[in-house]
Amino acid sequence: NAGVMQNPRHLVRRRGQEARLRCSPMKGHSHVYWYRQLPEEGLKFMVYLQKENIIDESGMPKERFSAEFPKEGPSILRIQQVVRGDSAAYFCASSPFESHSNQPQHFGDGTRLSIL
Amino acid sequence: GENVEQHPSTLSVQEGDSAVIKCTYSDSASNYFPWYKQELGKRPQLIIDIRSNVGEKKDQRIAVTLNKTAKHFSLHITETQPEDSAVYFCAASLRSSGSARQLTFGSGTQLTVLP
Repeated sequence: NAGVMQNPRHLVRRRGQEARLRCSPMKGHSHVYWYRQLPEEGLKFMVYLQKENIIDESGMPKERFSAEFPKEGPSILRIQQVVRGDSAAYFCASSPFESHSNQPQHFGDGTRLSIL
Repeated sequence: GENVEQHPSTLSVQEGDSAVIKCTYSDSASNYFPWYKQELGKRPQLIIDIRSNVGEKKDQRIAVTLNKTAKHFSLHITETQPEDSAVYFCAASLRSSGSARQLTFGSGTQLTVLP
């Protein structure tokens, strides 16, 4: 059973460009979470999605950031007009269907975003 | 919202000694407390978790204790080995039927096990 898959592992963008980060949850998982980790800091929650629904985006900056989890395909975290402060590791986690809400979250390997 | 404090930020122990990391949380409604180990440049990996209806849980050399009244929980690693060296994160979450909430993480503890 493949784990949570994130790509790309490393992404370099210049200021003002767009960054797209992808996350495919574990097989059978329908909940996806995005977290951001700044260097030498803990993980900060950004957004929680289920298929075609944003459940909680309270940790997401109001501007430039958006997330989706379409019916088909991976979840996408999109950052428009990137700035240097967006440089971080972005981790995706998944957990199973809500009837199994006591199941833990499993993390992907992350995408390390560097802004030049 | 939930706030999780973690101490110490760094911890060095001799191989074979025990290591203890402590966390406190603010939201008394939180009922799920996982611990993650993160090696440099790698994903956080779940090592143990505890739910609020349990006071202690053990898995080989790793144990977690929870004090709901005081709102704190601790990770205990016994007989430490060099491969235990990593950053450890505690987290807290509210989980209820039909809902799987986000995790609120502590700031992490860099554990170094000296050979």
